Amino acid sequence: DIQVTQSPSSLSASVGDRVTITCRASQTITNYLNWYQHKPGKAPKVLIYAASTLQTGVPSRFSGSGSGTDFTLTISGLQPEDVATYYCQQSFSTSYTFGQGTRLEIK
Amino acid sequence: QVQLVESGGDLVNPGGSLRLSCAASGFTFSDYYMAWIRQAPGKGLEWVSYISTSSIHRDYADSVKGRFTISRDNAKNSLFLRMSSLRAEDTAVYYCARAYTSSSPFDFWGQGTLVTVSS
Repeated sequence: DIQVTQSPSSLSASVGDRVTITCRASQTITNYLNWYQHKPGKAPKVLIYAASTLQTGVPSRFSGSGSGTDFTLTISGLQPEDVATYYCQQSFSTSYTFGQGTRLEIK
Repeated sequence: QVQLVESGGDLVNPGGSLRLSCAASGFTFSDYYMAWIRQAPGKGLEWVSYISTSSIHRDYADSVKGRFTISRDNAKNSLFLRMSSLRAEDTAVYYCARAYTSSSPFDFWGQGTLVTVSS
């Protein structure tokens, strides 16, 4: 199975900061990498799919990049409502796997 | 509007069985791959199983293979997960989610149903 390693596991930043989360796959997944935001008590929500495509309705401060094995989620201008846990997920193989998650807090 | 509503979660003894359901509405259910994804208390998201549009293709996480069975009824817009030989480590909120193809993201999720395995 393809392993997906996400870092950091937690992150604290100030409103307005630029935040970066990384994800590394154990083998090439071309661009089949998706990013989700999960708030407590809510359903997870896709932010970015195919590594860099912004899901409809998601604010433009969210962006994704990467291909092959290394990927990045960037939030440019952190907002209070961005407090959540973020997950990457590979869809290259149907034995889908998620990263371990990054808990994002506001300083 | 798109809706996915899970049901069937309960408290069950170790070794017991349970059947989860997911009722879909607001979209053409038979056009979408469907999946179950779970989150154990204090843990991250874990993909459990997926099923293709016509039920030809299915796959399971190693942690549930041989114990869980996914199925769907396109006529009733419903997805199911039959869970047997349940273990404490199966305790989690179980979400159903849809994807347009096998390589698409899970673009809509339900609110989840809680399964607790404990004596």
